[in-house]
Amino acid sequence: EVQLVESGGGLVQPGGSLRLSCAASGFTFSIFWMSWVRRAPGKGLEWVANIEGDGSKQYYVDSVKGRFTISRDNAKNSLYLQMNSLRAEDTAVYYCARVRKESGSYRDYWGQGTLVTVSS
Amino acid sequence: QSVLTQPPSVSAAPGQKVTISCSGSSSNIGNNYVSWYQLLPGTAPKLLIYDNNKRPSGIPDRFSGSKSGTSATLGITGLQTGDEADYFCGAWDSGLSVVAFGGGTKLTVL
Repeated sequence: EVQLVESGGGLVQPGGSLRLSCAASGFTFSIFWMSWVRRAPGKGLEWVANIEGDGSKQYYVDSVKGRFTISRDNAKNSLYLQMNSLRAEDTAVYYCARVRKESGSYRDYWGQGTLVTVSS
Repeated sequence: QSVLTQPPSVSAAPGQKVTISCSGSSSNIGNNYVSWYQLLPGTAPKLLIYDNNKRPSGIPDRFSGSKSGTSATLGITGLQTGDEADYFCGAWDSGLSVVAFGGGTKLTVL
């Protein structure tokens, strides 16, 4: 059974940092691209970042470029999101998701999410 | 402001059918596959439809997807109270080089 479990969310002050983790199990982690997607309160889903299976390439939405870093440790079946210079508008539930790219690009399994609140 | 446009809410009675629209452009829906997701409060989002109209294993055939031009539609028949959730469409946007999502549609089963 595929499982994705996020952790690391919490309350942080503007300008602060936080590192999210996602523990994956039930599939061969290293062969799949992975994503972080967020949902701000009362808003829709927003894609944040992708990382290729071997970790060689990363892709980001413009609003987090230079502040967030997606990474992975395939030996530990883990995905990470290092978030620096956090802003109030980064407040959201952050989901990790497995990416499928055989035909279209979609996310077939998601975690339950971890809440990040940026506030003073 | 989401790249893909969905109605904020739809409602229907149990047992009835509902459709949720998702409107985009040639850079996203018009030339890329559409997927649909269900978000129930406190649970992991669930993939309902991928590649415009395909259902993952375990998704009942009450859920269907279609695409025409730059718009896509999610259909749900035989509505159940357990279908009350937020529904999102998604597609790759070749122009913006981002994964685009709709703003979400809240389904109420009256």
